[in-house]
Amino acid sequence: QKEVEQNSGPLSVPEGAIASLNCTYSDRGSQSFFWYRQYSGKSPELIMSIYSNGDKEDGRFTAQLNKASQYVSLLIRDSQPSDSATYLCAVTPPNNTDKLIFGTGTRLQVFP
Amino acid sequence: NAGVTQTPKFQVLKTGQSMTLQCAQDMNHNSMYWYRQDPGMGLRLIYYSASEGTTDKGEVPNGYNVSRLNKREFSLRLESAAPSQTSVYFCASSSSTDTQYFGPGTRLTVL
Repeated sequence: QKEVEQNSGPLSVPEGAIASLNCTYSDRGSQSFFWYRQYSGKSPELIMSIYSNGDKEDGRFTAQLNKASQYVSLLIRDSQPSDSATYLCAVTPPNNTDKLIFGTGTRLQVFP
Repeated sequence: NAGVTQTPKFQVLKTGQSMTLQCAQDMNHNSMYWYRQDPGMGLRLIYYSASEGTTDKGEVPNGYNVSRLNKREFSLRLESAAPSQTSVYFCASSSSTDTQYFGPGTRLTVL
């Protein structure tokens, strides 16, 4: 079992819809969770971090964390074509908080 | 404030050649990282340095060496390049356990 798992996609949604991206992790003791966005040919950039159970909202983005079920999700409301990118989930392992474990990413396509 | 810079942006090597990828950050971060990214494999950690003077292996360290030259600079060396090392290499830095900031990447092809 991979430590951080994501569906590779592509996830295709129409413009204006809600895009829902999911991530599961294997180590129950993980404490810090991140969503990065990566455009094709570019480097990853952080869009959300979450540390506590529940929801965290930032503009059109909402991160949701459920430690009991070991999943973290990212909702993008009012999706735009400019949101088309690969979204990487990353988790800090409990035994070494100096590093991140990344999932393989979910490719999102928002069509007009 | 340039953030994280990497050189070169592109490189083509022949099998067996050596090279060093350079990374520098101007954010006064303690931690620095080297990743490789291959299609379908996501970002995999090669080496990292939690502070000046320390380095540790990541998930895929074989065939690589690193040097934390000072707080700003962290280099990655391929002593004898192999086609399996064809990849995109990203350097990143962070101040603690929080956000990692990534450089623009180096696209390396080994023939």
